Amino acid sequence: DVKVTQSSRYLVKRTGEKVFLECVQDMDHENMFWYRQDPGLGLRLIYFSYDVKMKEKGDIPEGYSVSREKKERFSLILESASTNQTSMYLCALRVGNYGYTFGSGTRLTVV
Amino acid sequence: AQSVSQHNHHVILSEAASLELGCNYSYGGTVNLFWYVQYPGQHLQLLLKYFSGDPLVKGIKGFEAEFIKSKFSFNLRKPSVQWSDTAEYFCAAFYNTDKLIFGTGTRLQVFP
Repeated sequence: DVKVTQSSRYLVKRTGEKVFLECVQDMDHENMFWYRQDPGLGLRLIYFSYDVKMKEKGDIPEGYSVSREKKERFSLILESASTNQTSMYLCALRVGNYGYTFGSGTRLTVV
Repeated sequence: AQSVSQHNHHVILSEAASLELGCNYSYGGTVNLFWYVQYPGQHLQLLLKYFSGDPLVKGIKGFEAEFIKSKFSFNLRKPSVQWSDTAEYFCAAFYNTDKLIFGTGTRLQVFP
């Protein structure tokens, strides 16, 4: 089975810090996604990537950027963290036709 | 805009009760539908999916869902819930835009 690994389970950062969230897959799939999950709002798509160096904005890209220098790694960057970015961040990988596998999530708290 | 609605935000049931969670999706041509489950402290897992064919789809752990095109619905059902079904359930739709769109989720609590 394909594995999606998010490097940190919990993170606490200060307002204004630059934050990197890492996501790594152990296979060669092209499509990777970053979602944030908030109570009552479900999962909202931040950014996604079709391939190396390719990226597309999702529904809520403001305050975020992404990097995909290698196929297996998709990073989400908070340029200047703010308290309203406190959330659970989920990385997902599209596997075959319409199947998605999710990482275990990173719970980010910005203080 | 393409969207998915889950109208039940929080459902509380006793063990052995029957479950039905509502999911409606907006029109957008061909659509593929999914139900995901997130148990406390765990990652999202696929319960079941509908692409085409038989509108009654069976998934893992005794769950099933029925695709009703005329109602734009894909409700999740289970005849008899267990305490271990306590989790958050998400309906999602794929509209051929390479994006999986989620509903806001339904939190299910099952009491013994």
